[in-house]
This record gives sequence, structure tokens and C-alpha cells, in this order.
Amino acid sequence: AQTVTQSQPEMSVQEAETVTLSCTYDTSESDYYLFWYKQPPSRQMILVIRQEAYKQQNATENRFSVNFQKAAKSFSLKISDSQLGDAAMYFCAYRSVQAGTALIFGKGTTLSVSS
Amino acid sequence: DTAVSQTPKYLVTQMGNDKSIKCEQNLGHDTMYWYKQDSKKFLKIMFSYNNKELIINETVPNRFSPKSPDKAHLNLHINSLELGDSAVYFCASSQATGRQGFGEQETQYFGPGTRLLVL
Repeated sequence: AQTVTQSQPEMSVQEAETVTLSCTYDTSESDYYLFWYKQPPSRQMILVIRQEAYKQQNATENRFSVNFQKAAKSFSLKISDSQLGDAAMYFCAYRSVQAGTALIFGKGTTLSVSS
Repeated sequence: DTAVSQTPKYLVTQMGNDKSIKCEQNLGHDTMYWYKQDSKKFLKIMFSYNNKELIINETVPNRFSPKSPDKAHLNLHINSLELGDSAVYFCASSQATGRQGFGEQETQYFGPGTRLLVL
């Protein structure tokens, strides 16, 4: 069975600085998807970024980028130029390519941003 | 224009009652999911439906019964509510291509969640 581990329960960053959230996963599959979701206090689950395992290039979305290391089964999220609105809980998630499979989530990292 | 909607957003009820949560998506997706987020914020799949057919049924008490009248709707009915059912319940939807290279279609989009409190 696949597992996702987020080893940092809490992280903090100053506004305009850069922070990296860690995620490792365990799987025997070669094809899969990886995601980072953000959950602000409003509790809405918001997609931050997606990585497809067959792509070697790291995904980027504006200030958000990932460092995807397939051999090491590592998928970290880098947030550049942090903003107060980035404060939230961040979840790393794994999904098999197999149709209809569910997301497997890590336990989350709470990110606080100070001015 | 809400992509995935859930009603109600808040539900406060007494132990032993029966309640339902409704979910609707207007994204044209063929697969819908129910996730439970517990008090420690851990998210876990409960059920998923593909084109009205149940495809994932995790170890959940049979007091929980999902129903999908059509592929745009997935409801969750809970009988004989217990204190431990207090949680946030999220509905999500996606396409199910079963192939790599379809990341956008396979991405799950979530509803706003329903906070259930059982007293």
C-alpha cells in the first residue's frame, strides 16, 4: 500500500522569504500523480500544484514549484516570495494512475507567515 | 458557478439521529468521492463512484451509505449518528482516464466541506 509522509508538522516563514515543505512517499508503482493542496482556515481544499510521475521536469505555478525526485520518492514544495495569504495547512497527496483511485494524503504541514 | 458544492456547510445534530449531506458537481466529471477529515486534520477516502457505480468502499461503518442518482450528484446518508462521526466531510470529483498524461482531468476538485458535529 502507498503511504505519504510529511515530517514537518509546522513551519514558519517571514513575508517575502522562501520556504520549502517536505514530502516523501512510498510506492511500487511507476506511474502516478503527486499533488500539493492548501487548506486555509476557511477549510476549502485548494489545488496548489500537480506533478505527473512520468515527467522529469519539475512543475511550477507562479511562486510555487516542486522538487520531484522520483528515485528518492521525494516531492517537496517551494514557496517563493511568501505572502500572508500563504498561511495555511498544506497537504501532500499521492494518486495512482489507475482510474478512479483515491488520493492518499500526508498528515499535513501548518505554515505560518509573519510580517 | 461553484464547481463542486455541498449542502449543508454545517450540521449540528443529536446522537442517534439520521442525516444526509448532498454533493453536486458541474464540471462534467465522471467520478465522485467522499473524504473524511478528522479532528487531527487527517484526510481519508470513504467512498468513490464512477458513473453511478460504487468503486471504492473503504472500511466504513455500514451506517454510512452513499447514493449516486446520476454522475453529477453523490449524497452521503448517515444513520444512528455517533459522537465519533463528528468531522468535516468533503466531496470531490474528477475524470477517470486511467492513463498517465491526463493530470488535469485526473485532478480532484473539492467541495467546501460539511462540518458535522454530533452532540
